Amino acid sequence: EAQVTQNPRYLITVTGKKLTVTCSQNMNHEYMSWYRQDPGLGLRQIYYSMNVEVTDKGDVPEGYKVSRKEKRNFPLILESPSPNQTSLYFCASSLSGGHGYTFGSGTRLTVV
Amino acid sequence: AQTVTQSQPEMSVQEAETVTLSCTYDTSESDYYLFWYKQPPSRQMILVIRQEAYKQQNATENRFSVNFQKAAKSFSLKISDSQLGDAAMYFCAFPGYSTLTFGKGTMLLVSP
Repeated sequence: EAQVTQNPRYLITVTGKKLTVTCSQNMNHEYMSWYRQDPGLGLRQIYYSMNVEVTDKGDVPEGYKVSRKEKRNFPLILESPSPNQTSLYFCASSLSGGHGYTFGSGTRLTVV
Repeated sequence: AQTVTQSQPEMSVQEAETVTLSCTYDTSESDYYLFWYKQPPSRQMILVIRQEAYKQQNATENRFSVNFQKAAKSFSLKISDSQLGDAAMYFCAFPGYSTLTFGKGTMLLVSP
């Protein structure tokens, strides 16, 4: 089944403790991206990657890192999480913009 | 940069009735795509329907159809024969080169 797999689905952590949210797709998509969804603010892009070793900032990159060492994986790293990074996070991939984006199931992150 | 506006924060419909969700957008491009995504309580982002701007024919997927007015930059979603399972947040989205720009969403409530 073609899908984007995100883990974990839920995570509660403490301020400053490094964490990684994994994202993997099995569709051989070149484009991958991370979004965060917050009430009243909608979905905002954090980082995106057009291909292996090619990443760039989205609208809200501060406090996040990403890497794209393999085509299928695009982890989101929070080196020192803070409470304002409490959010619902989505990974998405696409063959090309016009084909639509396939989203992961989301990760609900709470930073206390 | 593209902008996407959904002016209806919430809409209500009764089962078996028809409802239309509105979306307007702004772009300087002439060839593009537009999407409607559904986000049920499970949080999963599900692609409902896509429209190619160069196609004059409105897209249709079973009970879901769009009214695409390119000159007016309007892209509304019509749901016919509404079902309880249609209750969700609906997002209009515009794929750009490196990002998917979302509207703020319309919450659809379906009553028996």
